Amino acid sequence: DADVTQTPRNRITKTGKRIMLECSQTKGHDRMYWYRQDPGLGLRLIYYSFDVKDINKGEISDGYSVSRQAQAKFSLSLESAIPNQTALYFCATSDRGSRQGQDTQYFGPGTRLTVL
Amino acid sequence: GQSLEQPSEVTAVEGAIVQINCTYQTSGFYGLSWYQQHDGGAPTFLSYNALDGLEETGRFSSFLSRSDSYGYLLLQELQMKDSASYFCAVRDGKAAGNKLTFGGGTRVLVKP
Repeated sequence: DADVTQTPRNRITKTGKRIMLECSQTKGHDRMYWYRQDPGLGLRLIYYSFDVKDINKGEISDGYSVSRQAQAKFSLSLESAIPNQTALYFCATSDRGSRQGQDTQYFGPGTRLTVL
Repeated sequence: GQSLEQPSEVTAVEGAIVQINCTYQTSGFYGLSWYQQHDGGAPTFLSYNALDGLEETGRFSSFLSRSDSYGYLLLQELQMKDSASYFCAVRDGKAAGNKLTFGGGTRVLVKP
């Protein structure tokens, strides 16, 4: 079984709809992240959480919200979806790291979201 | 803030050597990471450099010069399966959120 899972894997929705993307992990990591990937723009951080009571905005948090329901679960919501939120969304996890500040991230398979 | 620059695309033939450069600006610096992503797949971790010098892992090596804010990923004995996008990423310090920032990625195309 995969260590980091995302649901759904694909989703088509309409402008103005609320949508939730879910992420679960079995790695026992404290840190979880949501990224967005657009062609040519790499991975951009939306929100991140270093433990259940810690939520932080990333570089592109406008239009998104998150919930850390448990150590293993981190969900991303689009309150009112718009077409420019069409993208590939990745969830990732990491441990605190031990080697000179290393923070290896483990990514889920991604959710392809299309907003019409 | 943080910014990273890497070439957008590199093409090479099987068996060749490719070097992907990455320059960065960051308010705090812990280390430089590299990730590989095949089309339709998730990024996967390749290497990490916290100190100056070369780290070798099989056919792939990664180099860091902290004084030059520069690093590179070296892909040797290229194989068709190495066709993928490669991202450099820096981890900044606590004052900047202690998070990873990724470059835009370099698409490597390996030809027969």
